[in-house]
Amino acid sequence: GAGVSQSPSNKVTEKGKDVELRCDPISGHTALYWYRQSLGQGLEFLIYFQGNSAPDKSGLPSDRFSAERTGGSVSTLTIQRTQQEDSAVYLCASRRGWGQGGPEAFFGQGTRLTVV
Amino acid sequence: SQQGEEDPQALSIQEGENATMNCSYKTSINNLQWYRQNSGRGLVHLILIRSNEREKHSGRLRVTLDTSKKSSSLLITASRAADTASYFCATEGAAGNKLTFGGGTRVLVKP
Repeated sequence: GAGVSQSPSNKVTEKGKDVELRCDPISGHTALYWYRQSLGQGLEFLIYFQGNSAPDKSGLPSDRFSAERTGGSVSTLTIQRTQQEDSAVYLCASRRGWGQGGPEAFFGQGTRLTVV
Repeated sequence: SQQGEEDPQALSIQEGENATMNCSYKTSINNLQWYRQNSGRGLVHLILIRSNEREKHSGRLRVTLDTSKKSSSLLITASRAADTASYFCATEGAAGNKLTFGGGTRVLVKP
């Protein structure tokens, strides 16, 4: 597709359940980011993938959060044993790698996660 | 933790007025970028300024960067009701890794 695609757009889950959020980046973009945004707040960095390098996981808030990026393309963010404080919009962004063009990031429309 | 902090947190102006918002950051950067967000969903890139630049223009946008003060400003001239949105600054660290966002400025342009 032409842009970053995230699915689902909305997810309601029960406390304690696991959820998977998917991000399809722009084709050819080697860098991929996940952010979390609570209502009316800024973007909280979660994890960053760059090519074949080890991901920067420094923003993951707990070991219940994990992410992977298969084949350098699609990424999945998994939240295990969801808690109410996990409710937020989860945003994915991708961009070209170093030396391959402008460093601006392109965002998906996000997944709004509600834990009840 | 957030690298960038924006000021003010919220701004309300009349259509036709200029809107100015500021961003401060803490560590060395390669570049600083401004993004816009409507309705709490995806962000759209507006303008980028590199660490060796001091000022940049794009249409009604003007961004400045003062690396000695670790601060940037975004000016929107002749604002329109359609400029109502949240505006975020984001910094790319000198190591060229993650893009870190500030808390944003919510701008309301009243017609």
